Amino acid sequence: IAGITQAPTSQILAAGRRMTLRCTQDMRHNAMYWYRQDLGLGLRLIHYSNTAGTTGKGEVPDGYSVSRANTDDFPLTLASAVPSQTSVYFCASSDSSTSGMGEQFFGPGTRLTVL
Amino acid sequence: KQEVTQIPAALSVPEGENLVLNCSFTDSAIYNLQWFRQDPGKGLTSLLLIQSSQREQTSGRLNASLDKSSGRSTLYIAASQPGDSATYLCATTGNQFYFGTGTSLTVIP
Repeated sequence: IAGITQAPTSQILAAGRRMTLRCTQDMRHNAMYWYRQDLGLGLRLIHYSNTAGTTGKGEVPDGYSVSRANTDDFPLTLASAVPSQTSVYFCASSDSSTSGMGEQFFGPGTRLTVL
Repeated sequence: KQEVTQIPAALSVPEGENLVLNCSFTDSAIYNLQWFRQDPGKGLTSLLLIQSSQREQTSGRLNASLDKSSGRSTLYIAASQPGDSATYLCATTGNQFYFGTGTSLTVIP
């Protein structure tokens, strides 16, 4: 593994189903982030984690939850998917334990369609 | 809430031209400003990071400047090439991260 990996690459999901998007980094970065990217709206921060064991809410956290049990993994869960959660989801990490200080690196994204 | 604006939304130039992409933001209380490139269907690739105490950063044909007091950053691309065609995004970092909607650049051979 080099950098940030995300799984799955793409997914079609029925509304109401539960879904977990996976994110793993091998750079030993303290901070990790989840964004969604929508046409015309750009990237918006969903949740972040400054260090293992801590998480915080971003700009659009409703309907999503995260956990950070260790440094490398930062899964994003949709408890009950809705069509408005159709988007491309990007995971990112940075090399600082203070939110906003470090250079961000991004994964390749997960394209999620909720029907 | 921070508002980040990138103008123009799209730009088309002939190969070899020098060009400037603009990024403006409303709240000058930022830590860093970062420029990214995004190819269609791909993730974001970091190009340059300018810390709040810096005025500019250079990498190869790219030069980014930051003027916090006026809420502006520019990305200068010298001698553009068709391979530079992509969407360029800027982001401010502070308590949270805010992205512009990007400038889609096409370099015509």
